[in-house]
Amino acid sequence: AQSVTQLDSQVPVFEEAPVELRCNYSSSVSVYLFWYVQYPNQGLQLLLKYLSGSTLVKGINGFEAEFNKSQTSFHLRKPSVHISDTAEYFCAVSEEHSKNTGFQKLVFGTGTRLLVSP
Amino acid sequence: DGGITQSPKYLFRKEGQNVTLSCEQNLNHDAMYWYRQDPGQGLRLIYYSQIVNDFQKGDIAEGYSVSREKKESFPLTVTSAQKNPTAFYLCASTNYGSSNQPQHFGDGTRLSIL
Repeated sequence: AQSVTQLDSQVPVFEEAPVELRCNYSSSVSVYLFWYVQYPNQGLQLLLKYLSGSTLVKGINGFEAEFNKSQTSFHLRKPSVHISDTAEYFCAVSEEHSKNTGFQKLVFGTGTRLLVSP
Repeated sequence: DGGITQSPKYLFRKEGQNVTLSCEQNLNHDAMYWYRQDPGQGLRLIYYSQIVNDFQKGDIAEGYSVSREKKESFPLTVTSAQKNPTAFYLCASTNYGSSNQPQHFGDGTRLSIL
């Protein structure tokens, strides 16, 4: 069964500084990877996804992530953060074989709270 | 615009009471999901449904029940058997047979005990 580890529960950073949020996964089959953002008292919004092809994926709001199969990682990065990026970020994985059953099981990490201060 | 509507936004439950959380989608998605979110624990799957009149237990189904009488609707009932119901509940949907497609989420219902 797959699992997702987000090593940092909270990441404080100053405005305009770069940030990296770490995500590692475990799976015995090929996977699809997703990053979601959650603002307070709201649902999850998709930031970006990796399905196949180029390992560098660009998403909304200036975020990007790099898939590293050998290290089973999918770290999220932004070169310069804004106050408005303060939110919780979730990494999630879906196994490729689940398309044969029609059921997509997304497994989520425990989330990383990004705190951007002036 | 298409999306998922959850209601109410806030809900309070008394001891021994069942409460029902609503989830409606107009995305024409086949599959719908209910998750429970607790601080520091991420999202955990309660129930999912792939087609109308069919649903399956997720990882933490005890104390919950669902129905899927219409494609657009997937209500969740938190029964009195759920001893720790205080949490943020999220509904999601996606197309059937699409493990490479992202799930779309509603804005959630926050349930508290009175």
